[in-house]
Amino acid sequence: SQTIHQWPATLVQPVGSPLSLECTVEGTSNPNLYWYRQAAGRGLQLLFYSVGIGQISSEVPQNLSASRPQDRQFILSSKKLLLSDSGFYLCAWSPIRGAYNEQFFGPGTRLTVL
Amino acid sequence: KNQVEQSPQSLIILEGKNCTLQCNYTVSPFSNLRWYKQDTGRGPVSLTIMTFSENTKSNGRYTATLDADTKQSSLHITASQLSDSASYICVVMTNTGGFKTIFGAGTRLFVKA
Repeated sequence: SQTIHQWPATLVQPVGSPLSLECTVEGTSNPNLYWYRQAAGRGLQLLFYSVGIGQISSEVPQNLSASRPQDRQFILSSKKLLLSDSGFYLCAWSPIRGAYNEQFFGPGTRLTVL
Repeated sequence: KNQVEQSPQSLIILEGKNCTLQCNYTVSPFSNLRWYKQDTGRGPVSLTIMTFSENTKSNGRYTATLDADTKQSSLHITASQLSDSASYICVVMTNTGGFKTIFGAGTRLFVKA
């Protein structure tokens, strides 16, 4: 069966510090991968998605970047965090040929920028 | 503009009672509609998924309905339990040269003993 991991689970970082969140998927090959941010009491906002190694599409301009160095690894980064980067970050995957393109979410990372 | 609107924003019910959550969408062309449950501090988990031709789908005490003509969906929870306290997110997918997912803001449900 497929599983998706995210770490760390929680993170508190000062403004201006770098960020690296990691997401890995097990039990599937060549998945579509996604990074979402969820602000408190708000809906999910798609940040990046990837259909293959080294292929990253950005949905919104921001202070963040994403990379996919391996087939089942997706990394969210920032060189200098802003207060507005605080939120709940979710990684998700979907099968590349799934009939409904259903997305399966990881446990999330709670980021607080102080 | 593709949008998904959910109501109410939040809801408080007593344990054992039923409730219905609403989802209206203006997404075209429509591919499928999903309801997710998101516990606080956790990732969303899929409850149901419906395509254009499906009017209702059940998953235990959860029953989702879809009216593709009026572009409305509902999620009915029967005999609520404390563990049903969560956010419920309606998600509509459109297929315009590639799948695109539109998320509702969610309904926050509180079940009280």
